[in-house]
Amino acid sequence: GIQVEQSPPDLILQEGANSTLRCNFSDSVNNLQWFHQNPWGQLINLFYIPSGTKQNGRLSATTVATERYSLLYISSSQTTDSGVYFCAVARNNAGNMLTFGGGTRLMVKP
Amino acid sequence: EAQVTQNPRYLITVTGKKLTVTCSQNMNHEYMSWYRQDPGLGLRQIYYSMNVEVTDKGDVPEGYKVSRKEKRNFPLILESPSPNQTSLYFCASGTLGGGYNEQFFGPGTRLTVL
Repeated sequence: GIQVEQSPPDLILQEGANSTLRCNFSDSVNNLQWFHQNPWGQLINLFYIPSGTKQNGRLSATTVATERYSLLYISSSQTTDSGVYFCAVARNNAGNMLTFGGGTRLMVKP
Repeated sequence: EAQVTQNPRYLITVTGKKLTVTCSQNMNHEYMSWYRQDPGLGLRQIYYSMNVEVTDKGDVPEGYKVSRKEKRNFPLILESPSPNQTSLYFCASGTLGGGYNEQFFGPGTRLTVL
């Protein structure tokens, strides 16, 4: 099956700092999503981005499908950004099953 | 508000006592699925459904059943729960085809089987 690797696994930031999270995947995909799992366990949709670049406030994401990676940028981080960030991908012939990366655990300190 | 709902959100039960976790979406999505999340193992798909009366196994279907009698509902059934089914469960829904396949997740159900 497809492999999804995220880096770094853990990240500690001071409030106000910027960061880049990376997601590498091993095969072509028709779906790539970024999620934030908050401390209550809920999975929040951040971006649907199988290719190209999108921005939403302080967050932006870029997927380079031909090179099989995606980046999530967090600018001016806030304590509420803490949690785990997941990248998930799906292949054309995989019943839309999302394969999740291992996540990046982010802690933003005040 | 467009959403996926799950009930119950928290459940503690005992081995062998049948239970059902409900999932409902109000976005008219064809696709629905169930995932479980476990420490060190991440999120793994249990079952999915491409439309009414169409279901198929995911990566970890053993010990679970599903049904899709209506487009909006996709319940997860544990006929005889065991402690290794203690987990955080997520239901998800999404559209199919048309080049747009974003999936949306419910709030999760935290299940403990004693």
